Amino acid sequence: DAGVTQSPTHLIKTRGQQVTLRCSPISGHKSVSWYQQVLGQGPQFIFQYYEKEERGRGNFPDRFSARQFPNYSSELNVNALLLGDSALYLCASSLERGEQFFGPGTRLTVL
Amino acid sequence: GIQVEQSPPDLILQEGANSTLRCNFSDSVNNLQWFHQNPWGQLINLFYIPSGTKQNGRLSATTVATERYSLLYISSSQTTDSGVYFCAVEHGSYIPTFGRGTSLIVHP
Repeated sequence: DAGVTQSPTHLIKTRGQQVTLRCSPISGHKSVSWYQQVLGQGPQFIFQYYEKEERGRGNFPDRFSARQFPNYSSELNVNALLLGDSALYLCASSLERGEQFFGPGTRLTVL
Repeated sequence: GIQVEQSPPDLILQEGANSTLRCNFSDSVNNLQWFHQNPWGQLINLFYIPSGTKQNGRLSATTVATERYSLLYISSSQTTDSGVYFCAVEHGSYIPTFGRGTSLIVHP
């Protein structure tokens, strides 16, 4: 069975631009979470969606938004990119709560 | 929010050695997972262990929820065990919290 998939794998943007990252969960999983991981730190929680509804939000500015589609895939949008947004963005899926499974991540570089 | 502390922050071993990684958390948890992050950034599930003890080959984990800690044991370490080990907990709300990780290097 396919695991969690994310696209693109790498992305380079300039300050002020907008970016959309995509995630497809494991088949049968209805919950998707997004994390940001900067070098040397653990992943920081951004959002969690379940059945297309936002169920949790971390301490990130309103420039970050997300949505979940009827097929349970998800997009993370970041507007007005800053240099500090450069990071590995991770997506995880789970059945509802409980054990999470992570995708390979999207490495975003903001110049 | 809940605090998660992992120790040690760095660990260097010779191949074949055993090690214990610790995760302390500041409040009760309903979920706890251990992950291994490989050099390419992929987080690999090791254990889902909100309480009790589990074993998988050379790795085992124990969570003592009442005392707010979890331990990950690695026996007969191999060079492929190198990487960063993370503990992640969930307390009440749907906001998982990761520790800062333990960076492990295993020399041949």
